[in-house]
Amino acid sequence: DTGVSQNPRHKITKRGQNVTFRCDPISEHNRLYWYRQTLGQGPEFLTYFQNEAQLEKSRLLSDRFSAERPKGSFSTLEIQRTEQGDSAMYLCASSLEGRPDTQYFGPGTRLTVL
Amino acid sequence: DQQVKQNSPSLSVQEGRISILNCDYTNSMFDYFLWYKKYPAEGPTFLISISSIKDKNEDGRFTVFLNKSAKHLSLHIVPSQPGDSAVYFCAASAYQGGSEKLVFGKGTKLTVNP
Repeated sequence: DTGVSQNPRHKITKRGQNVTFRCDPISEHNRLYWYRQTLGQGPEFLTYFQNEAQLEKSRLLSDRFSAERPKGSFSTLEIQRTEQGDSAMYLCASSLEGRPDTQYFGPGTRLTVL
Repeated sequence: DQQVKQNSPSLSVQEGRISILNCDYTNSMFDYFLWYKKYPAEGPTFLISISSIKDKNEDGRFTVFLNKSAKHLSLHIVPSQPGDSAVYFCAASAYQGGSEKLVFGKGTKLTVNP
């Protein structure tokens, strides 16, 4: 079990560019979550999937953000036309359905928008 | 509005003594609570959890207490060790309501002095 992995670990981009992050969950976990953490705050929920179905999206997830989990395994989070306010740590977590005590996090992707 | 509050941004204790981290919540739908530890540049690491049907859960040096009437929980670490120095996040979910997304507090930075 290699845990949840995220790539890249760091991304620096210019305002207006598009960026895409990848998350590989723990293999037997059918739920996958995206959170965002800014300085001095706790992680904030963005969206989650059960297998390939996106079941819930936060109002924080503007129309510039899109997430997919095409085959129920890895997931991607894309941000279009990045803004400086998008600078944050983007965290992915996975869990087994019905087991909230199994929600484990990856190391995160640190996004800096210049 | 913050549904999960950690009112102490920081806590400093001596090695070998008890560390007590506190957390309050406002949403009565929350029925599952978790504590995570986070080191800089890493994702949160799961520590311990408790269901609302219990008032105490213990795992080694870590014990979580839940007071539902006061909407308050606490994490006790005994004895504290320098390696425990990290930011601790309290998180809650409305698990029985079908939502396993986590709502986090802002965290408490624990420093354990040798």
